[in-house]
Amino acid sequence: GQQLNQSPQSMFIQEGEDVSMNCTSSSIFNTWLWYKQDPGEGPVLLIALYKAGELTSNGRLTAQFGITRKDSFLNISASIPSDVGIYFCAGQLSEGQNFVFGPGTRLSVLP
Amino acid sequence: DARVTQTPRDKVTEMGQEVTMRCQPILGHNTVFWYRQTMMQGLELLAYFRNRAPLDDSGMPKDRFSAEMPDATLATLKIQPSEPRDSAVYFCASGFGNTEAFFGQGTRLTVV
Repeated sequence: GQQLNQSPQSMFIQEGEDVSMNCTSSSIFNTWLWYKQDPGEGPVLLIALYKAGELTSNGRLTAQFGITRKDSFLNISASIPSDVGIYFCAGQLSEGQNFVFGPGTRLSVLP
Repeated sequence: DARVTQTPRDKVTEMGQEVTMRCQPILGHNTVFWYRQTMMQGLELLAYFRNRAPLDDSGMPKDRFSAEMPDATLATLKIQPSEPRDSAVYFCASGFGNTEAFFGQGTRLTVV
């Protein structure tokens, strides 16, 4: 099946730093989603992207739909302790198909 | 506010026992997904339903797993007999069509 790769696998950052992570594939996707999973909870939808080049923000989070449609990026500005968790990307190849999830990026924020 | 509700939150059972996990999707959503999450495999899609009809259960071990939607407000995932390798967190998610899915809090299953 289709695979998504997420980079980095994990990261440790200092509170206040900016964070960048990405999601890549060899296939072209028409929709990208970014989820965050807090420890012991289910994934929560953060941002949805529908068009190549689209840039969407949700508070301190900004996500972009890559121009090639094979990747997506998530940035977090001025990180805070509650940003800790696993960030998943999910891609949909075409309308009507199920989303494929990436393996996640585990973020730790040091005070 | 609307949310997907899963019960139980935690379940510890002995190998060979039957396990039933329940999910109440968000009212109005017509699609229900069952996912399994492990450290090794990440999030795996087990099965999904549209308008209560099973559309795809190819991700599910057929010999011991079964998923049903007795009505629009209840989805169940059953394992019989359970095995230690079934230990994982099982998530239910709901959505409208194949648009964004909203996840429940999960059922953490431990089979000993």
